[in-house]
Amino acid sequence: EVQLVESGGGSVPPGGSLRVSCVVSGFSFSTSGMSWVRQAPGKGLEWVSSINGHGDDTYYADSVKGRFSISRDNSKNTLYLQMNSLRVEDTAVYYCAKVTVPVGAFDIWGQGTMVTVSS
Amino acid sequence: EIVLTQSPATLSSSPGERATLSCRASQSVSSNLAWYQQKPGQAPRLLIYDATTRATGIPARFSGIGSGTDFTLTISSLEPEDFAVYYCQQRSKWPLYGFGQGTKLEIK
Repeated sequence: EVQLVESGGGSVPPGGSLRVSCVVSGFSFSTSGMSWVRQAPGKGLEWVSSINGHGDDTYYADSVKGRFSISRDNSKNTLYLQMNSLRVEDTAVYYCAKVTVPVGAFDIWGQGTMVTVSS
Repeated sequence: EIVLTQSPATLSSSPGERATLSCRASQSVSSNLAWYQQKPGQAPRLLIYDATTRATGIPARFSGIGSGTDFTLTISSLEPEDFAVYYCQQRSKWPLYGFGQGTKLEIK
């Protein structure tokens, strides 16, 4: 069964750090591009970051560049998002998603993990 | 930066009716456009990619057309489970991926 399971969300004060994870099963993780997409409460979807299968090519939205870092451990079938210098506006559900290549669509999604930045 | 604008923001329809949702890009994205459905409390689900190709398991009542800057998602005969929020998404040089603001399809 194809599955993406996020974890690591929680509540953190502004300026704090958090790392969320996504464990993958049911498809070839090491050959799949992966992304993080977030959704603030009651709002739309926002692409956050992407990484290629090898982990040597990464991309970030301007809103998180310099603060967030995407990485992966192919031996553990796990995707990570390290979030530093968190802001109130980073509060959202964070979804990991598999990217179809070269189409560039998100064909498999996790259930999401909630990150709340609040004092 | 490419901006996607969806219209209408809310569409009120009844089961059995045809629904037409629009997505307009601020500059050409060729056919690099996808559509997603999202129900409350759930992750988005890919419906259409490459503007016109249905994803695996998506019913034939969902269809997409368009290229360049103007795209349409049509649901030919609405089922009760189709009432949800729909997003378009583009892949381009920058931003790498972008989403429209969504269209809420609600029951009239």
